[in-house]
Amino acid sequence: AQSVTQPDIHITVSEGASLELRCNYSYGATPYLFWYVQSPGQGLQLLLKYFSGDTLVQGIKGFEAEFKRSQSSFNLRKPSVHWSDAAEYFCAVGISSGSARQLTFGSGTQLTVLP
Amino acid sequence: EADIYQTPRYLVIGTGKKITLECSQTMGHDKMYWYQQDPGMELHLIHYSYGVNSTEKGDLSSESTVSRIRTEHFPLTLESARPSHTSQYLCASSSRGPDTQYFGPGTRLTVL
Repeated sequence: AQSVTQPDIHITVSEGASLELRCNYSYGATPYLFWYVQSPGQGLQLLLKYFSGDTLVQGIKGFEAEFKRSQSSFNLRKPSVHWSDAAEYFCAVGISSGSARQLTFGSGTQLTVLP
Repeated sequence: EADIYQTPRYLVIGTGKKITLECSQTMGHDKMYWYQQDPGMELHLIHYSYGVNSTEKGDLSSESTVSRIRTEHFPLTLESARPSHTSQYLCASSSRGPDTQYFGPGTRLTVL
């Protein structure tokens, strides 16, 4: 069965510092990969996705992620964090199950941004 | 990006009541999903549908039921709410192909 691991439960960075959130997956084939962000009491907003092609993908809000097949990783990065980036971040892997493509989510990483 | 709506946003209800959580999307997406999320935890799929009159249970067992009579509408019903049903319920939808799921704002349910 597929699985997603986000090893960092909570990360704290200062505003303006760089950020990297880790995501590792386990899946037999090349998965579809996603990063979502969730603000308190809200639904999930898609940051970026990887289906195929260039392994470095750009997303919204200045985020990017790199797919590394050899490491089964899809880490999220941002060169300079803003206070508004404080939220919970979820990595997800898309797999095919029958006629529906389902998402398996990691447990999330809570980001705190210090002024 | 999909427009997907959930009502109510917050619901506090007593044990034993029947409740229906509404989810609607305006993008004509074939596939719709319900996830359950406890505070600070990951999302777990409880139901999904890949078209009208088609519904399946997800990975997490749930006492809720769903229906898909219209493409745009995917309500979730609890016949008799219990405190163990207290959680956040997120609805999502996606189109065909390498689909990206778009999420609604969620319904936070509290059962007393």
